[in-house]
Amino acid sequence: SQTIHQWPATLVQPVGSPLSLECTVEGTSNPNLYWYRQAAGRGLQLLFYSVGIGQISSEVPQNLSASRPQDRQFILSSKKLLLSDSGFYLCAWSEDRPTGGNQPQHFGDGTRLSIL
Amino acid sequence: AQSVTQLDSHVSVSEGTPVLLRCNYSSSYSPSLFWYVQHPNKGLQLLLKYTSAATLVKGINGFEAEFKKSETSFHLTKPSAHMSDAAEYFCARGGYNKLIFGAGTRLAVHP
Repeated sequence: SQTIHQWPATLVQPVGSPLSLECTVEGTSNPNLYWYRQAAGRGLQLLFYSVGIGQISSEVPQNLSASRPQDRQFILSSKKLLLSDSGFYLCAWSEDRPTGGNQPQHFGDGTRLSIL
Repeated sequence: AQSVTQLDSHVSVSEGTPVLLRCNYSSSYSPSLFWYVQHPNKGLQLLLKYTSAATLVKGINGFEAEFKKSETSFHLTKPSAHMSDAAEYFCARGGYNKLIFGAGTRLAVHP
């Protein structure tokens, strides 16, 4: 069966520090991968998605970047964190299909990021 | 533009009473539709999905949803609420290589 892992579960970082959040998927090949953010009391904001190694689509221009160095690994990064980067970060995967948007996404347990 | 509207940001019910969470979508065709549940500090869990088969879709934990094309709706229901159903619920529709989510409905269940 397929599983998705995100770490760390919680993270406290000072303003201006770098960030690296990692997400890995097991039990499937060539998944579509997604990074979302939830600000406190808000809905889901899609940040990045990837349909293959090295292929990254950015939904919202901002202080963050994403990379996909391996088929089932998705990394969210920042060189200098801002206070506004605080939130709950979720990684998700879906099966690779010609119409990928019609497949359900499966979510990790998230990373709670607090910027001080 | 494709969109999903969850008509209620908060719904409060008593334990044992029915649950209705409303969702409307905008589209010129019948999209794939999904309901997810999110408990505090957890990821989203898929409750059910509609992919143009039966219009009444049964999901996990006693939830079901009915696709009504004429109303462009996909409301989530449950006959009898449990305390454990208290959570945030998200409706979503398929888009190009991604899902489009509604803003969410927070369900409170009172004893």
